Amino acid sequence: DTQMTQSPSSLSASVGDRVTITCRASQGISNYLAWYQQKPGKVPKLLIYAASTLQSGVPSRFSGTGSGTDFTLTISSLQPEDVATYYCQKYSIAPLTFGPGTKVAIK
Amino acid sequence: EVQLLESGGGLVQPGGSLRLSCAASGFTFSSYAMSWIRQAPGKGLEWVSVISASGDITYYADSVKGRFTMSRDNSKNTFYLQMNSLRAEDTAVYYCAKGEGGSINYYYMDVWGKGTTVTVSS
Repeated sequence: DTQMTQSPSSLSASVGDRVTITCRASQGISNYLAWYQQKPGKVPKLLIYAASTLQSGVPSRFSGTGSGTDFTLTISSLQPEDVATYYCQKYSIAPLTFGPGTKVAIK
Repeated sequence: EVQLLESGGGLVQPGGSLRLSCAASGFTFSSYAMSWIRQAPGKGLEWVSVISASGDITYYADSVKGRFTMSRDNSKNTFYLQMNSLRAEDTAVYYCAKGEGGSINYYYMDVWGKGTTVTVSS
């Protein structure tokens, strides 16, 4: 099975900072990669699918890149409402594996 | 509005059984694969299972294979997770989710329910 890793596991940044989260697959998954945001105490929310396609209604400060094994999620200007844990997930052939998550906080 | 509503969670003893339900509305239910995902207290997300739009194909995580069974009733816009031989490590919030992407082999979860809590304890 394909394993998913994320780095860093947590980060703290100032409002307005550019934030980048990395996700790596143990084998190639083409662009079958989604990103989810889970705010504290809330339900996960789809941000990006197909590695770089923004889900409808998601602010344009979020972007995704990558293909194969290496992917990134970027928040171009961190906002207080972005405090959350971010998960990547590969969605090519079961099992659909999530990464361990990256917790984003405001400095 | 697309909505998913889970029910059936609760406290169960180790070795016991529980059936979760997820009622869907606001979309053509019979056209989409549906999934269960769980989150143990303080932990990350774990994909549990998926069922195809027609209900003829299911896949499971190794951690639940042989103990959990997914099914669906397209006439009722509802799908289910039958959980048998429950263990303490099955304690989690269980989310149902709608699959988008056109294929049971390539889908992401675009709509999630609010979750139902399952606690396995004596």
